[in-house]
Amino acid sequence: NAGVTQTPKFQVLKTGQSMTLQCAQDMNHEYMSWYRQDPGMGLRLIHYSVGAGITDQGEVPNGYNVSRSTTEDFPLRLLSAAPSQTSVYFCASSRGGTYNEQFFGPGTRLTVL
Amino acid sequence: AQKVTQAQTEISVVEKEDVTLDCVYETRDTTYYLFWYKQPPSGELVFLIRRNSFDEQNEISGRYSWNFQKSTSSFNFTITASQVVDSAVYFCALSGIRSGGTSYGKLTFGQGTILTVHP
Repeated sequence: NAGVTQTPKFQVLKTGQSMTLQCAQDMNHEYMSWYRQDPGMGLRLIHYSVGAGITDQGEVPNGYNVSRSTTEDFPLRLLSAAPSQTSVYFCASSRGGTYNEQFFGPGTRLTVL
Repeated sequence: AQKVTQAQTEISVVEKEDVTLDCVYETRDTTYYLFWYKQPPSGELVFLIRRNSFDEQNEISGRYSWNFQKSTSSFNFTITASQVVDSAVYFCALSGIRSGGTSYGKLTFGQGTILTVHP
């Protein structure tokens, strides 16, 4: 099992560019989510999904889009990058039901100039 | 709304000292899960423990122990005889549970506590 994988590991964008952060899991987990980590603020939820075709907004969704067409993949799209989106992004997955330990990917460090 | 507060931004100790990391939470859910994660300098998030809100037993795992007190909405983490390898950022997190017992599949994190253990 590869667990939760994220690509790329590092990315530099210019303001206004768009890109997609990829996230995949091979554990057949129902739940997937995206968090961003900023200094002194912990991890904040951007979007999450409780199954293929079902997504919902988290605490900081503005500027980001998601879709979940398969159980395995949960890409995060930045529509028009802004310097405020400079952050480390973590994808996580967990089984549904009552057992909800979340498994995290290694993170993507994004810098927007 | 849920909230997790880790009031200690940074803690510095000398090796072999005991250290306690504080976590206070707020939630309207009657049942919930509490978690601790460790983030070493390499950056990955490492799961340490999950605790159900209806299980207030303290837990010990090697040098780690957790004290859950529902009456004060706290879930504190103690490292006994700290080691340099314990240096990391530690996060406390909360997840609500729906009626019917299933999770929401999302976590609310505290701000994190940076622990530095000096040799």
